[in-house]
Amino acid sequence: EAQVTQNPRYLITVTGKKLTVTCSQNMNHEYMSWYRQDPGLGLRQIYYSMNVEVTDKGDVPEGYKVSRKEKRNFPLILESPSPNQTSLYFCASSGDRAYQPQHFGDGTRLSIL
Amino acid sequence: GQQVMQIPQYQHVQEGEDFTTYCNSSTTLSNIQWYKQRPGGHPVFLIQLVKSGEVKKQKRLTFQFGEAKKNSSLHITATQTTDVGTYFCAGRNQGGKLIFGQGTELSVKP
Repeated sequence: EAQVTQNPRYLITVTGKKLTVTCSQNMNHEYMSWYRQDPGLGLRQIYYSMNVEVTDKGDVPEGYKVSRKEKRNFPLILESPSPNQTSLYFCASSGDRAYQPQHFGDGTRLSIL
Repeated sequence: GQQVMQIPQYQHVQEGEDFTTYCNSSTTLSNIQWYKQRPGGHPVFLIQLVKSGEVKKQKRLTFQFGEAKKNSSLHITATQTTDVGTYFCAGRNQGGKLIFGQGTELSVKP
């Protein structure tokens, strides 16, 4: 089954404790991205990657890092999480940046205390 | 930065009533996509519009792309409880960047 898998689904942690949210897709998609969803703000792009070893900042990259060492994986790293990063995070992939639909993972709800 | 504005933010309707959500961009879009997110779920792709003035239908859902390719709408005829969720538009700008609107949360009272 074609899917985007995120882990963990839920995480409660404390300020400053490094964490990684993993994202993996099995559709051989070139394009992957991370979004955060906050009430009233919709989906805001954090980082995206157009292919292996190619990443770029989205609209809200501060406090986040990503890497794309393999085509299928695109982890999101919070080196020193803060409470304002409490949010619902989605990973998405698509076959082509311009015209293909985004396939979203199930989401990761992060709470930073 | 470039924004895609979506209104209304919330819409409460009685089952059987119609529903419309609108998206407006400050600049011309190359295409626009629509997604639906059920409560507790993730956004799911519904449709993509590419041509100026394009209209597409999916059963009770009608999607339109404006002549100037700056606005779009989603209209649901005779809403059902299964239509509950948040509807997002996502406009692709000329540089290829996909920009999501804020979403419209639809609730349907049986």
